[in-house]
Amino acid sequence: DVQMTQSPSTLSASVGDRVTITCRASQNINTWVAWYQQKPGKAPQLLIYKASSLQSGVPSRFSGSASGTEFTLTISSLQPDDFATYYCQQYNNYSPGLTFGGGTKVEIK
Amino acid sequence: EGQLVESGGGLVQSGESLTLSCAASGFTFSDYAMSWVRQAPGKGLEWVSGISDSADHSYYINSVKGRFTIYRDNSKSLLYLQMNSLRAEDTAVYYCGKRVAGNTGPFDIWGQGTVVTVSS
Repeated sequence: DVQMTQSPSTLSASVGDRVTITCRASQNINTWVAWYQQKPGKAPQLLIYKASSLQSGVPSRFSGSASGTEFTLTISSLQPDDFATYYCQQYNNYSPGLTFGGGTKVEIK
Repeated sequence: EGQLVESGGGLVQSGESLTLSCAASGFTFSDYAMSWVRQAPGKGLEWVSGISDSADHSYYINSVKGRFTIYRDNSKSLLYLQMNSLRAEDTAVYYCGKRVAGNTGPFDIWGQGTVVTVSS
């Protein structure tokens, strides 16, 4: 079973800050990792796929990177619209499922 | 731009059944694998079940195997999740999601969600 360990669970930051969120996979999943943003009461929105590819329409302040089994989402300069919860997801295979990380809530400092 | 609209949620008693539907539009439904993802109140996202584009393969998390069945009607662009023997821990918002590229990729289109509440 592939586990995705996401940290931190909560992050307090100010507008303009550089923010980094990390996910560690329990086994090799190549770069089959996506990142989503979710706002309260809304469905998640895809930000990054294949670890570092920016989804169409997503601002360039969002970026993703990978190093082995560690994956990182970076927001270069936090904007008011970015206060939300972020999830990583592995989609390497269905065994046992397309696992999500536990989420990171980005709060206003 | 495609759209997904879920329906069928509601309040049921423990042990009862419910079938969720997800209506797709704006893309060729039969070209894409689909999944159900749920979110319990105040909790994170949990992938529940997935089905291939041609419906020849289906997948489930262990906690719903034998109780939930995913299926699809490509002629009507509809995805379903039949949920039997519901438990309190199945209480969640259920989202359907479309995979980006055929049978691979993350989810680029999500529905708005439908709420399932299981009362014990």
